[in-house]
Amino acid sequence: DTGVSQNPRHKITKRGQNVTFRCDPISEHNRLYWYRQTLGQGPEFLTYFQNEAQLEKSRLLSDRFSAERPKGSFSTLEIQRTEQGDSAMYLCASSVGSNTEAFFGQGTRLTVV
Amino acid sequence: GENVEQHPSTLSVQEGDSAVIKCTYSDSASNYFPWYKQELGKGPQLIIDIRSNVGEKKDQRIAVTLNKTAKHFSLHITETQPEDSAVYFCAARPANQFYFGTGTSLTVIP
Repeated sequence: DTGVSQNPRHKITKRGQNVTFRCDPISEHNRLYWYRQTLGQGPEFLTYFQNEAQLEKSRLLSDRFSAERPKGSFSTLEIQRTEQGDSAMYLCASSVGSNTEAFFGQGTRLTVV
Repeated sequence: GENVEQHPSTLSVQEGDSAVIKCTYSDSASNYFPWYKQELGKGPQLIIDIRSNVGEKKDQRIAVTLNKTAKHFSLHITETQPEDSAVYFCAARPANQFYFGTGTSLTVIP
């Protein structure tokens, strides 16, 4: 087990394009979180899954954002019609349950030009 | 929702000295407080955490204290080393998500 894995590490896209990121959590971790981090700020919550169920979404998650975790293992985060304001580091974290420590991946840095 | 404030935003210490980073939180329902270290271009790495039923926890050169009454918690790093240089984030969890502070950029001067 090598920890939370995120791909790609970097993504540059033109404004208006769609992008998709993938997160592979630590094996046996049934909770998966997505966070966004902009320069000089702490991570901000986007959404989380308990197994395959998406249980909570932040107001930051506009209708251009969608996340899935179809089999309760890996998760994808898609951003449609990207805007320059979407440029950020997108972080994924996983935990065994609701009351345990969460471990983060290395993140996907998105740049919208 | 929860509001976590973190101070200072930057901190420079001489190698071997101690560093202290302080955080406050607003939601009394918060019961778990992790600290993360983030190096440039990398994801946050969990370095220590504390639960609300404990007042202090120590792991080698790192310790965390929690004052539930005052709603504040602190990270203490002793005998700092250059490799401790990074951005440190505190966080609080009242329910299902973590709320992070704005980070402290620690520089350890050799």
